[in-house]
Amino acid sequence: DAGVIQSPRHEVTEMGQEVTLRCKPISGHNSLFWYRQTMMRGLELLIYFNNNVPIDDSGMPEDRFSAKMPNASFSTLKIQPSEPRDSAVYFCASLGVDYEQYFGPGTRLTVT
Amino acid sequence: AQSVTQPDIHITVSEGASLELRCNYSYGATPYLFWYVQSPGQGLQLLLKYFSGDTLVQGIKGFEAEFKRSQSSFNLRKPSVHWSDAAEYFCAVVPSGTYKYIFGTGTRLKVLA
Repeated sequence: DAGVIQSPRHEVTEMGQEVTLRCKPISGHNSLFWYRQTMMRGLELLIYFNNNVPIDDSGMPEDRFSAKMPNASFSTLKIQPSEPRDSAVYFCASLGVDYEQYFGPGTRLTVT
Repeated sequence: AQSVTQPDIHITVSEGASLELRCNYSYGATPYLFWYVQSPGQGLQLLLKYFSGDTLVQGIKGFEAEFKRSQSSFNLRKPSVHWSDAAEYFCAVVPSGTYKYIFGTGTRLKVLA
């Protein structure tokens, strides 16, 4: 298995633009998580899905952020409009047996 | 509210020395407990986990952790550190009945040659 796949690996965009981050979980994993990591706030859980249904989105910063999981093999995290304070590394993870989370390599987002 | 505390932001040890990274959690019942490692530019990787039973658990790369209920702690240890262990280490809890991970703020380990 290729593991959790995230794209793009790096994204540089200007303030006000729409940004879409993509994630493909490991096949057979039923839960998917989106995290944001910054130096100031560490690793934050934004949202997680179980069987494609959002279970807890209490970590989503504001209405500019939205996440979808249209099927078991694909999820997106969208920021519209983006702001410089959204600059961070965004990780996607899927949940395997015994509650082990498998993390993707992350997307480094820079908003100028 | 549940929380995880890693009191040491940075730790520096010499190669070959022993290591202990501290983790305390706040939760009414015993949650599921985890340690993850993050190398620069990469995602997190599971080192070990505790659900129940033997309070000393073994993980990958020679790491072990001990659960102490009375202290609400789950400290990570390694007898002899290698230069390749330099990374950031995260403790995490998952309250039983949920999938929601709560991560600590991480401890960055530096290894001196």
